[in-house]
Amino acid sequence: GQNIDQPTEMTATEGAIVQINCTYQTSGFNGLFWYQQHAGEAPTFLSYNVLDGLEEKGRFSSFLSRSKGYSYLLLKELQMKDSASYLCAFYGGATNKLIFGTGTLLAVQP
Amino acid sequence: NAGVTQTPKFQVLKTGQSMTLQCAQDMNHEYMSWYRQDPGMGLRLIHYSVGAGITDQGEVPNGYNVSRSTTEDFPLRLLSAAPSQTSVYFCASSTLDSVSGNTIYFGEGSWLTVV
Repeated sequence: GQNIDQPTEMTATEGAIVQINCTYQTSGFNGLFWYQQHAGEAPTFLSYNVLDGLEEKGRFSSFLSRSKGYSYLLLKELQMKDSASYLCAFYGGATNKLIFGTGTLLAVQP
Repeated sequence: NAGVTQTPKFQVLKTGQSMTLQCAQDMNHEYMSWYRQDPGMGLRLIHYSVGAGITDQGEVPNGYNVSRSTTEDFPLRLLSAAPSQTSVYFCASSTLDSVSGNTIYFGEGSWLTVV
């Protein structure tokens, strides 16, 4: 079957670094997404990993290991506005479904 | 550049009523999908489509119907609304090209309350 897991909540301090992990199981895999979602808003795209390794985009980086079914999102120099839910999703399987995890609610404290 | 247009934004229904959530995209995307999001939960896939005339069930399809008569439109129908369908609904569209990079575009969401 298909399954995706990420922590429910995390807390971090402004200016620090936080890593949000995501593990997944699927019979077919095309890529892994990370989305940010503020309360009451639609998700916004952060990153998309197809190949193994680290993709860096400003303060945000995303890592993928396809053999381990594992990804993480790294947020550096945390700002208060980074307080949001972070959704991990994989795209693939025999039917090309996009399946989301339940999201990690990140609270950035002063 | 409209992207994904989703209507209505807010709706209150009585139990047993029917309604259609509209979703339209102007990017010629093959893939369109509907999700619902409940408090403390992620996005759960209701139905999806990989092209005009093709639809399939997601994780939570019961109580919902869809059709894809054109590439642009992917309406979601609630035939007989139930309080359990109170949720926020998101429509999304994307290309199916996973090689050159792929982003998924979301509508702004529809807040549905069934009383």
